[in-house]
Amino acid sequence: AQSVTQLDSQVPVFEEAPVELRCNYSSSVSVYLFWYVQYPNQGLQLLLKYLSGSTLVKGINGFEAEFNKSQTSFHLRKPSVHISDTAEYFCAVSLTSGTYKYIFGTGTRLKVLA
Amino acid sequence: SAVISQKPSRDICQRGTSLTIQCQVDSQVTMMFWYRQQPGQSLTLIATANQGSEATYESGFVIDKFPISRPNLTFSTLTVSNMSPEDSSIYLCSVEEGWTGIGNYGYTFGSGTRLTVV
Repeated sequence: AQSVTQLDSQVPVFEEAPVELRCNYSSSVSVYLFWYVQYPNQGLQLLLKYLSGSTLVKGINGFEAEFNKSQTSFHLRKPSVHISDTAEYFCAVSLTSGTYKYIFGTGTRLKVLA
Repeated sequence: SAVISQKPSRDICQRGTSLTIQCQVDSQVTMMFWYRQQPGQSLTLIATANQGSEATYESGFVIDKFPISRPNLTFSTLTVSNMSPEDSSIYLCSVEEGWTGIGNYGYTFGSGTRLTVV
C-alpha cells in the first residue's frame, strides 16, 4: 500500500523569504507525484506533477519540486513567497498503472507573514 | 482544463436529514470522483462514478449512506443521507484532466461543499 507523509502541519514564513514544504512517500511500486494547493474556501488546484523524466519539476506560481527516489521525497519549494501564497498544500501519489486513485497527505498550511 | 461547478458551496443541516450535492462539468468526462475532507484532515475518496453504471465505493463508504447518481457525462450528484454531526466535512467532486501513455495529468477539483450538521 502507498502512503504520504507531510511532516509539517503548519509553516509560517515571512514574505519574500524562501520556503520548503516537505513530502515523503512510501510505496513498493512506482508512483506519480503531485502537489495541490487549496486556497481558502476553494477547491484544489494542481501546482505541479512528476510523471517521469527530469527530477526537478517546475509548476505554476513560481513553485518547483524535486523528486528524490532514494529518499522517497518530493519536497515543494519557492524561492520567495508572497502573501497570496497563504493556503493549504497537499502532496499526493498515484500508481503508475492499474488504479487511478490518489493517496493524499494530510496537508501543510503555509502562512505568509507581512 | 475542465471547469467544475459544485453546488451548494455550503450548508447547515439538521441531523437526520439528507443533502444532495451537485457537480457540473463543462466537458464530457468518463469518471467523476467524490472526496470527503474532514476537519483538519486530508482528502479521502468516497466513490467513483461512471456514467451508466453503479458507483464504486471505497472501503468504509456505502451506497445507502452516500447514494450517487451519474445521469450523463457532465453531471453527478452525491447525497449525504441521514446526517449526523460526524458527517460535517467538505465534500469535493473531481474529474481526471486527461490521460497520456505515461500517466494521467492530474485531477481538477470543484470548489467544495462545506457541510455542517447540527
